[in-house]
Amino acid sequence: TQLLEQSPQFLSIQEGENLTVYCNSSSVFSSLQWYRQEPGEGPVLLVTVVTGGEVKKLKRLTFQFGDARKDSSLHITAAQPGDTGLYLCAGNGSSNTGKLIFGQGTTLQVKP
Amino acid sequence: NAGVTQTPKFRVLKTGQSMTLLCAQDMNHEYMYWYRQDPGMGLRLIHYSVGEGTTAKGEVPDGYNVSRLKKQNFLLGLESAAPSQTSVYFCASSLGRYNEQFFGPGTRLTVL
Repeated sequence: TQLLEQSPQFLSIQEGENLTVYCNSSSVFSSLQWYRQEPGEGPVLLVTVVTGGEVKKLKRLTFQFGDARKDSSLHITAAQPGDTGLYLCAGNGSSNTGKLIFGQGTTLQVKP
Repeated sequence: NAGVTQTPKFRVLKTGQSMTLLCAQDMNHEYMYWYRQDPGMGLRLIHYSVGEGTTAKGEVPDGYNVSRLKKQNFLLGLESAAPSQTSVYFCASSLGRYNEQFFGPGTRLTVL
């Protein structure tokens, strides 16, 4: 069974601070996605990483896929209150069916 | 485009009652999915469909049934609700197996 472990599970920081969220597995994933979910809504895709070692930037957010495609990280620079939400990583597994395996999520609170 | 819609938004059931959750998408997507989200557990796949008339089991299928009679609709049924099925249910759709999944707003179900 493929599993994704996210850490930390909760993060409460002040506006302007930097943070990193980690998503780790012992399994290889063909691709990995990061979603953001706000209360009362469904997750929304932020980025997909496909190639080992790939780095993608989305404004103040930097996403990295590990060289061995077993782990990923999300780094936020100068966090803003609008970044508050639940961040989920999800991997496309080995079954080739398109099924996503989700991590437990990281709840981020950015205080003004 | 409405995207992915779910009805109802909230529902309270008594143990043993049955109900059907409806998911509709207007993006002509082939793939549709039902997830449940519980605190600290991310999203877990219940059932999915790779096209009209087809369904398959996900990670946690027990106690649920699904049908995809029309391409745009994916129904999730609970035949005899149990308190363990108290959760938030999300429907999602995607164009293909490796494409972005678009999520609905969720249905909050409480089983007493």
